[in-house]
Amino acid sequence: DQQVKQNSPSLSVQEGRISILNCDYTNSMFDYFLWYKKYPAEGPTFLISISSIKDKNEDGRFTVFLNKSAKHLSLHIVPSQPGDSAVYFCAASETSGTYKYIFGTGTRLKVLA
Amino acid sequence: DAGITQSPRYKITETGRQVTLMCHQTWSHSYMFWYRQDLGHGLRLIYYSAAADITDKGEVPDGYVVSRSKTENFPLTLESATRSQTSVYFCASSAGTENIQYFGAGTRLSVL
Repeated sequence: DQQVKQNSPSLSVQEGRISILNCDYTNSMFDYFLWYKKYPAEGPTFLISISSIKDKNEDGRFTVFLNKSAKHLSLHIVPSQPGDSAVYFCAASETSGTYKYIFGTGTRLKVLA
Repeated sequence: DAGITQSPRYKITETGRQVTLMCHQTWSHSYMFWYRQDLGHGLRLIYYSAAADITDKGEVPDGYVVSRSKTENFPLTLESATRSQTSVYFCASSAGTENIQYFGAGTRLSVL
């Protein structure tokens, strides 16, 4: 049973518009969430994170929102740029543990010029 | 070079052969991880290590062996490769003081 789900395998957005990537989780013990970005033939790179004590974290064009009651988080990219085209993985972790992540299956974002 | 490096980047082997994937990091991070990435599954944790000589199983450990005699190295061995182990393998490390993992570029393994 997948504890972290990304139900949209792919998403296409016009350059300059907002991209919204979604992630759901089932384990209420998760208290730290991250988004990673992955280009082809490269390893995932850390993008942004959020602790469960917050409901929003912002870093430049990237904002992550956390809705604990719905066990849902989303990544907003505004404005979207062609260089944002990549696969985005959300990950969840328990900070009191061993820093293990559970990853979602990923969403492929394509930003159209 | 500083960072985390994986070798080889590509490997083709045959079923039943032993193969070892190497991972080396220069940050002296205490935590290291091995993942496999497969279509429809995202990244799944195979094994992880909290420090030298301390390792533990992840979600999908069967068919794999790890060791960590030095902090900077965390090799992953497939003792008798099977076709189902064809995948892209990623190594990652974390300082443990922050909950962020840093990934290598990956090893694409094909088992024929």
